[in-house]
Amino acid sequence: QPVLTQSSSASASLGSSVKLTCTLSSGHSIDVIAWHQQQPGKAPRYLMKVESSGRHNKGSGVPDRFSGSSSGADRYLTISNLQSEDEADYYCETWDRNSRVFGGGTRLTVL
Amino acid sequence: EVQLVESGGGLVQPGGSLRLSCAASGFTFSNYWMTWVRQAPGKGLEWVANIKEDGSEEQYVDAVKGRFIISRDNANNSLYLEMNSLRVENTAVYYCARIGGRGYSFAPIDYWGQGTLVTVSS
Repeated sequence: QPVLTQSSSASASLGSSVKLTCTLSSGHSIDVIAWHQQQPGKAPRYLMKVESSGRHNKGSGVPDRFSGSSSGADRYLTISNLQSEDEADYYCETWDRNSRVFGGGTRLTVL
Repeated sequence: EVQLVESGGGLVQPGGSLRLSCAASGFTFSNYWMTWVRQAPGKGLEWVANIKEDGSEEQYVDAVKGRFIISRDNANNSLYLEMNSLRVENTAVYYCARIGGRGYSFAPIDYWGQGTLVTVSS
């Protein structure tokens, strides 16, 4: 079963860019992951799927400011032109034949 | 528009039971695997259970095996989670969610419900 590792927190200034990382455990470096955003007090929202090639497919209505990429076992979520509403928890997710796994989440603070 | 609306949460004593429901609309429910994910207060997301589109296969996290049962009623576009022998550590918001691959489970969650709070306390 894969394990996903995320930094617990990140911060960046309004209008700047930030890159969040989700690292897949050994033996799962080619796996696909998804990114979800959870704003304070709300349900999670699907942002995108990111493949090992870096190809990403965004969910409906996700702004162009959000993009995904990949390098080895790392999967990234980059948010450009940070807005106040981007302050949220970001979770990565992956799956195998019998289960689903989430990373511990990264709390993003917009300064 | 895809909508998932959970209900059935509430306060229950340790050892008690509760049945959660999720009403789905805006898509062909019988074409998708569905899942339950929970979030304990102040904690991250934890997968609970999956069910195949026709209900013929179920998968559970080890912590709930033998106590929780996931089921579905495709005629009524509904997903359920029967929770038995509840423990204090099962206190969480429970989310109903759709797995995005039509007809297969190797896909991300692409839609979430708003969640329903289950509190297990004496």
